[in-house]
Amino acid sequence: NAGVTQTPKFQVLKTGQSMTLQCAQDMNHEYMSWYRQDPGMGLRLIHYSVGAGITDQGEVPNGYNVSRSTTEDFPLRLLSAAPSQTSVYFCASSPGQTEAGTEAFFGQGTRLTVV
Amino acid sequence: AQKVTQAQTEISVVEKEDVTLDCVYETRDTTYYLFWYKQPPSGELVFLIRRNSFDEQNEISGRYSWNFQKSTSSFNFTITASQVVDSAVYFCALRCIEEYGNKLVFGAGTILRVKS
Repeated sequence: NAGVTQTPKFQVLKTGQSMTLQCAQDMNHEYMSWYRQDPGMGLRLIHYSVGAGITDQGEVPNGYNVSRSTTEDFPLRLLSAAPSQTSVYFCASSPGQTEAGTEAFFGQGTRLTVV
Repeated sequence: AQKVTQAQTEISVVEKEDVTLDCVYETRDTTYYLFWYKQPPSGELVFLIRRNSFDEQNEISGRYSWNFQKSTSSFNFTITASQVVDSAVYFCALRCIEEYGNKLVFGAGTILRVKS
């Protein structure tokens, strides 16, 4: 069982470069989310999606774009990387409102450094 | 507002001590879910437990126990007879149904260091 797959695991970018973090899940989950983890700040929600074609902003959306063209995939795009985006990024999925009590499943994380 | 507060930034204990990690939440929803996750040094997020707002029963799983009190909006986590392998960052999280459309919001986390 693959669960939630994130790629890449590590990435170094130069300021101003763009890139896409990939996230795929094979559990047919409706909900998918992107978080960033910074020391002392826990996991902060960047963007989330409640189904294919539907996305919304979380707590810290600036500098990031998402789209959800399929149930399985939820890529996160950094438009113009900045040092403040140095962080560990996690993708998560969960079943949907009818199973809201089910835990979220997380990918392994992407450690991104912007120099 | 939907919010989770973990006031303890870091806790250090000696092996075999009991330790309680605090979690206080805020929500106006009547239906919500609380979760605890563990993040060991390897970095992955490991689900530990869930609790819904209508079930205030405490739960025990081996050395782990959870105390949910709606009156104080708290969902505390106790590790009995701690072990070095318990060293990790622990996160409390809240999912509300009505107010925030199922978003899962995390606390800042508590770093637990268990020394041998």
